[in-house]
Amino acid sequence: EVQLVESGGGVVRPGGSLRLSCAASGFTFDDYGMNWVRQAPGKGLEWVSGTNWNGGSTGYADSVKGRFTISRDNAKNSLYLQMNNLKAEDTALYYCARDRLTVVVTGYYYYMDVWGKGTTVTVSS
Amino acid sequence: DIQMTQSPSSLSASVGDRVTITCRASQSISRYLNWYQQKPGNAPKLLIYAASSLQSGVPSRFSGSGSGTDFTLSISSLQPEDFATYYCQQSYSTPYSFGQGTKLEIK
Repeated sequence: EVQLVESGGGVVRPGGSLRLSCAASGFTFDDYGMNWVRQAPGKGLEWVSGTNWNGGSTGYADSVKGRFTISRDNAKNSLYLQMNNLKAEDTALYYCARDRLTVVVTGYYYYMDVWGKGTTVTVSS
Repeated sequence: DIQMTQSPSSLSASVGDRVTITCRASQSISRYLNWYQQKPGNAPKLLIYAASSLQSGVPSRFSGSGSGTDFTLSISSLQPEDFATYYCQQSYSTPYSFGQGTKLEIK
């Protein structure tokens, strides 16, 4: 069964740090790019960060650039998100999601086809 | 960065109705547009990718169309399990971005 399981969430004070993990199983992890997407309480979805298959290409939302770092360990089938200098507005449920690529005549299409259940991060004093 | 705007933000409909949700991009994104469904307490679920391709296992009553800046998600005959929140998402360029969501409620 294809599965993503996030962990590492918790309660942290403003300015603190946290490292999220996402364990992948049921598929060849290094065949896929991966993403982190978050959802603040009662709010919509926000893409946070993404990486290609080997970590050589990464991207970040403006809201987290310079504070968050995405990485992966293909030998451990794991994705990570190092979050530093956390702010109250980072409080959210954090999902990891697999980036699927489909190539057709018209182009290279990426979409998030497998999602974990999420891990909750609360930033509060 | 590309902004995605969905309309309406909420929608009331009855079982059996046909509904349409619109998503507009702030610049042309060709067909790099995906749709997700999210039910309370659950992770998002992919419905449509590349504007109109149905994800495996998704009922055929769901369909997507559009290109450039304007896209639609249609549900041909609403079923009780379709009442949820729907999001569009562009994958044309990073940072990826989602619409604000459309909450579909039972009338």
